[in-house]
Amino acid sequence: GQSLEQPSEVTAVEGAIVQINCTYQTSGFYGLSWYQQHDGGAPTFLSYNALDGLEETGRFSSFLSRSDSYGYLLLQELQMKDSASYFCAVRNDYKLSFGAGTTVTVRA
Amino acid sequence: DTAVSQTPKYLVTQMGNDKSIKCEQNLGHDTMYWYKQDSKKFLKIMFSYNNKELIINETVPNRFSPKSPDKAHLNLHINSLELGDSAVYFCASSEGGGYTFGSGTRLTVV
Repeated sequence: GQSLEQPSEVTAVEGAIVQINCTYQTSGFYGLSWYQQHDGGAPTFLSYNALDGLEETGRFSSFLSRSDSYGYLLLQELQMKDSASYFCAVRNDYKLSFGAGTTVTVRA
Repeated sequence: DTAVSQTPKYLVTQMGNDKSIKCEQNLGHDTMYWYKQDSKKFLKIMFSYNNKELIINETVPNRFSPKSPDKAHLNLHINSLELGDSAVYFCASSEGGGYTFGSGTRLTVV
């Protein structure tokens, strides 16, 4: 089976930087993904790391270390609209298994 | 143009009823999924289909029966609905690492 651990909640002010860590245990690992979900909305794809290293997409970056079974999502220059749940997910054969999610609250 | 569309958006029904949720994707992806999100926001895989063939059935009760008439459609039929089936059900499709989710169907069983 798979297990993923990520913090349940993070609060930060506008303009700050937040890092959400994710550790995982799985077999048949293909890569680590991150998804954002606003209340009442659908999960939306943010990033996917198949190889070790940092991937940057605008204000969001994602990192993977396969040897440590660890990754993180970095949210920079936080904006109010970034208040949402963020899920890490491991990709195996024909499925994505999700962590329990991290609720990020951005304060003015 | 909506990439993954599912209907209905809301479904309120009584225990014991049978209901269906429809899903269509226009992305040309080969693989489609059903996920269930509970009240604690935990997203759990239910089924994976690749090119109309069932690949994964993640210990879902057999009251849930997916059907894929073609690779662009994956419907979910639920028999004898129970209170515990209340949740948000998401359809998704993928090609490679990124999944595209539909907007979800909020099912409430009363």
